Parts: sequence; C-alpha cells; structure tokens
Amino acid sequence: EPEVTQTPSHQVTQMGQEVILRCVPISNHLYFYWYRQILGQKVEFLVSFYNNEISEKSEIFDDQFSVERPDGSNFTLKIRSTKLEDSAMYFCASSGIAGGPGNIQYFGAGTRLSVL
Amino acid sequence: AQTVTQSQPEMSVQEAETVTLSCTYDTSENNYYLFWYKQPPSRQMILVIRQEAYKQQNATENRFSVNFQKAAKSFSLKISDSQLGDTAMYFCAFHRGTYKYIFGTGTRLKVLA
Repeated sequence: EPEVTQTPSHQVTQMGQEVILRCVPISNHLYFYWYRQILGQKVEFLVSFYNNEISEKSEIFDDQFSVERPDGSNFTLKIRSTKLEDSAMYFCASSGIAGGPGNIQYFGAGTRLSVL
Repeated sequence: AQTVTQSQPEMSVQEAETVTLSCTYDTSENNYYLFWYKQPPSRQMILVIRQEAYKQQNATENRFSVNFQKAAKSFSLKISDSQLGDTAMYFCAFHRGTYKYIFGTGTRLKVLA
C-alpha cells in the first residue's frame, strides 16, 4: 500500500542552523501538508500546498519556514534559523482529492527535530 | 475557532475487552467531518474511521465504531475485542471548510495480554 515517507526519522541540530525536512508524498496525490507536535501538546497544522503554492498556513508558519516541491516526488519543509522551541515531531501528509471538507489525509511517520 | 479535546491521556484495556476513547469538540459549524487516526509506535498515523456530521448513522469499521452525538459535540471511539496490535496513540481530528485538520492531544492506548 502506498505510504508517505519522511526522512530523517530524527534530526539533531544546533540553534540557529538551517534544517530541511524531507517527505515523499503518495505519488498521485495533489495536496501536501506539514503539521508539528511539540511534546505533550496537540498536533498543529503548519501549511498546505497545492499546485506549487501555499494554499493555507497557520500563524506558526512565519518567515522562518518555507516549503518547496523541488521535483515531482519530494516535498520539503525548511526552517531557516532554528530555535529551541522548534523542537517537535514534524508530520508530512498528502491527500489525493480537492482539499475541501472530508478529504482523507495520509500521514508519514514523522521527523523528530531536536534543537540544541 | 474550532477546538478538539481528548481528556484521557492514557488508557489500558485487557485483550478481547472493549474500550471507549473520548473526544469532544467545539464548533459553530453545522457541516464538518470527524476522524479517528491511530499511530502505532514509530509508525505513521493511519485513518481508523471517518464520520460526516450530516449523517446521523454512526460510522463503523469492523471492530471500530463511533458514538457521534452532534448536539453534545461528542465523538467517541469504541474498540471491541481489543487486540495487542491496537496498542497505539489515537488522535481525534476535526475538519471543515479549509485544508487543515484540527487535532486533539491524543490518547495513548495500551492493550494488555
């Protein structure tokens, strides 16, 4: 069964460094998402992406964050200058139909980002 | 703004028994979707069950069923005949109108042999 794949599973970085989290969505999906979960807190929406542009973003997704689909398969989340509070589990998701109500999003296993 | 609350951080159940996980939400909308996702240890979240708010009938998927109480804004998940493979984190999620899901904090379920 097709899966969303995320790499690496764990990323350790120093504060102020740039990180890129990588995701390979399900191949025929059109909508892509990033969520994050700080330890002990809710899973929070960061951004959705369709047709090579951001379709929705949360207030968390500030200028330090960017997303890109550099080729036909990868979907990346970049954090330009990491802060301690960026430490979290980051989930990528994709969906195959219009991003309206009820669409089923398929999630990756997550990348745990630890900022030291 | 919509919120989702899962008030049980951890639960355990004996194998073959039935367990119910609670989820409440707050919204002023009338049409929306609710989901339960399961995340086994070190694995991705997978969809367990989906409920459309305009449908009165509770959704069921094999051993998994929901008790959807729209007026009470309650969406609980019942797992019957619990199996060891049901051990996971369970997330309740709300979806309406935009692209994002709104999740609860999750319930960690452990099935005991």
